[in-house]
Formats: sequence, structure tokens, C-alpha cells
Amino acid sequence: NAGVTQTPKFQVLKTGQSMTLQCAQDMNHEYMSWYRQDPGMGLRLIHYSVGAGITDQGEVPNGYNVSRSTTEDFPLRLLSAAPSQTSVYFCASSYRDRGYEQYFGPGTRLTVT
Amino acid sequence: KQEVTQIPAALSVPEGENLVLNCSFTDSAIYNLQWFRQDPGKGLTSLLLIQSSQREQTSGRLNASLDKSSGRSTLYIAASQPGDSATYLCAVILRGGGFKTIFGAGTRLFVKA
Repeated sequence: NAGVTQTPKFQVLKTGQSMTLQCAQDMNHEYMSWYRQDPGMGLRLIHYSVGAGITDQGEVPNGYNVSRSTTEDFPLRLLSAAPSQTSVYFCASSYRDRGYEQYFGPGTRLTVT
Repeated sequence: KQEVTQIPAALSVPEGENLVLNCSFTDSAIYNLQWFRQDPGKGLTSLLLIQSSQREQTSGRLNASLDKSSGRSTLYIAASQPGDSATYLCAVILRGGGFKTIFGAGTRLFVKA
């Protein structure tokens, strides 16, 4: 199993540009989520999904969109990038039968100038 | 609102020392609690998952305990090694509402050779 994969690893955007961060998992986990990690702030939940076709907002959803058309993929879209979205983004997946133990991807480091 | 606090924020110990990292949470209605390790510039690696019905979990030199009634968990590391140097994150998985996860800010550990 590849586990949770994220692309790209690094990205630089200009203010106002849009882009999609990709996340995929091959463990058939029903639960997937996106976090951002900022110095001194820990990880904060952006959006999550409890299954294909079902998404909901986390703690810091503004400026981000998600969709979940398949069990495997959970892309995160930045609609109009702002410098405040400079961060490291992590995708995670989990499974009810494993007590929702979360497995993380390697992260995407995003810089918005 | 669930809050997770980790003390200390940073810790430096000589090699071979036994140490305890602390995690506290404000709402005892949790589903599970998970401890992670994060190396600089890397993703999160799951260390231990404690189900709410359990009191402790062990993996090698690591032992994690959970006291829901007092809102506390501890991660005990025996015979610390320089390779244990990393940031250790505690996360609580909430009951219901999509089983969202709330993270502490982490404890940065440095083990001196």
C-alpha cells in the first residue's frame, strides 16, 4: 500500500491564483480530512469527509473548497490564494474499525506571495 | 469547545533518561486519543492510539496512559535516545459530529548524546 499520498510537495502561488492540492489513499478508508499546520498554532482542521459525496467544514474552512467523488480521492481547492494561506497542508485518512486512527500524508508546503 | 494542551512546549534531556510528556483536554467526551511523532519538515507518524475504554497502550519503549475523568494523557518514553528527538503531538478524536480530531501544539523533544 502507498498509504496517503499528496501532490505537489511544494508550491509557490501569487496572490489571487487558484490551485488544487491532491490527496489520495489506497486503504479504503471512509474518513478523510485536511489540516493546515502553522508555527505555534498546531494543526487545524480545514474540511473533512465521512464518505464519498459527504463533506463538512472544520475549524478554518474559509477560502477552501473540497469535494469527495470517490473513496480514494479528496482534493483541496484554494479559490483565490492569499498570503495568509501560506502554510503546510496535510491530508489524513482513517477507518472506523480501527478506532479512527489517523494516517497522514507527507504534506504540501505552500507559499503565497 | 474542546481544547488540547501539551506541557512542556519543549524539553531537553540527556540520553538514557526516562521522560513523561503531558497532554490535557477540556471535554472528557472523547472517542479516542492518539499520540504522533513529527520530525522536522516531515509528516505525522502515529505512535499509539488509546481507545476511550482503555487506560493505557504500550509499544516498545513507549507507554501512553489515558485518564478520561481528569482529562489527561501521558506519553512515557523509557531510556531515551538521540533518535527520539522530534515533536510529539497529542490529538483527541471527538465523539459524533464526524469524529473530528483536535490537536495539541506539541512538545519539542531534544535528546542529547
